[in-house]
Amino acid sequence: EPEVTQTPSHQVTQMGQEVILRCVPISNHLYFYWYRQILGQKVEFLVSFYNNEISEKSEIFDDQFSVERPDGSNFTLKIRSTKLEDSAMYFCASSNGRGPSTGELFFGEGSRLTVL
Amino acid sequence: GNSVTQMEGPVTLSEEAFLTINCTYTATGYPSLFWYVQYPGEGLQLLLKATKADDKGSNKGFEATYRKETTSFHLEKGSVQVSDSAVYFCALSGTRGGGADGLTFGKGTHLIIQP
Repeated sequence: EPEVTQTPSHQVTQMGQEVILRCVPISNHLYFYWYRQILGQKVEFLVSFYNNEISEKSEIFDDQFSVERPDGSNFTLKIRSTKLEDSAMYFCASSNGRGPSTGELFFGEGSRLTVL
Repeated sequence: GNSVTQMEGPVTLSEEAFLTINCTYTATGYPSLFWYVQYPGEGLQLLLKATKADDKGSNKGFEATYRKETTSFHLEKGSVQVSDSAVYFCALSGTRGGGADGLTFGKGTHLIIQP
């Protein structure tokens, strides 16, 4: 069964360092998403991406964050200068329909980021 | 803005017990409602959904009814199994212009089923 894969499963980094989290969405999907979950808190929407551009982003997704689909298969989330509060589990998701009401979101297992 | 509140866990039940996980929401417009499940070591998976008031979503013996009058979408199962042990997330999607792409999740409820 097709699945969304994410790497790394866990990354530890120093505050101020750049981090790139990678995702391989399901191959025929067109819509891509990043969510995060800080420990003990809600899963929060960060950004959605379609047709090589951001279609929607939350207030969390500030200038420190960027997304890219560099090669037609990977979908990356970059955090330019990590802060302690960026420590969280980051989930990638993909869909073949615009928005969760029209297309089921398929999630990866998550990448745990720890900022020291 | 949109928000989802679900009961805190962990919820511990014996096998074959009746399950209810409460979920209430606050939203503008007419959101769609979802339950996602995360089994250990896996990503979130869609369990069921309802797209309009009074719709009932169902899957794998679980069901939930979209109640607009009480702004609720409680998850129920008549007889739980050990394999149902997981974290359950209630979520809603916004209406056009209010977050159509993004899901708003609750904190998740950890369900533990004991044999």
